[in-house]
Amino acid sequence: SQKIEQNSEALNIQEGKTATLTCNYTNYSPAYLQWYRQDPGRGPVFLLLIRENEKEKRKERLKVTFDTTLKQSLFHITASQPADSATYLCASPNTGFQKLVFGTGTRLLVSP
Amino acid sequence: DVKVTQSSRYLVKRTGEKVFLECVQDMDHENMFWYRQDPGLGLRLIYFSYDVKMKEKGDIPEGYSVSREKKERFSLILESASTNQTSMYLCASSLSGGAQETQYFGPGTRLLVL
Repeated sequence: SQKIEQNSEALNIQEGKTATLTCNYTNYSPAYLQWYRQDPGRGPVFLLLIRENEKEKRKERLKVTFDTTLKQSLFHITASQPADSATYLCASPNTGFQKLVFGTGTRLLVSP
Repeated sequence: DVKVTQSSRYLVKRTGEKVFLECVQDMDHENMFWYRQDPGLGLRLIYFSYDVKMKEKGDIPEGYSVSREKKERFSLILESASTNQTSMYLCASSLSGGAQETQYFGPGTRLLVL
């Protein structure tokens, strides 16, 4: 069955560095991937969508890549700040485009 | 801005009680979704709806039902709450079409079943 996998271990980085989070998918080829941010006790908030024919997408300090050969998307936050600390989820449509399949998320902690 | 609201942030219920979770969106979205989120398991889809009075089962519908009598409101019903339904429940909506649409989430309801 199709799977989206994210590193369950928290990522700890220092303020000012670039954070890189990984999303791997198996057993299917999604037409696009979405990235969401979730703060503790809150619902996820949409950040970016990248399609399979787009290698890279940027929004302010955020950059997402999509590598269909590696079956992987990378999510980068440059010049990270403590306010970027949150859990980041990736999601893609299932093969029938009926629903979104979410990864379990990776928690990012940015230390001052 | 799209706003999705959920009736309660925290709820404590007893085993066997009937529980209603309400979700309202104010942007005339066609699609509405109910998820539960548990540590290590991520977001799991319970039910979704593409239109008024229409519902589709998600991945884990057992023990739940839904109601969509009006476009803006989507209710999740736990017919007889059990302790394994203790979880964070998230409602979401999206504009139209299929899963490719961005989903807008409510703040969540943390349900504890004793």
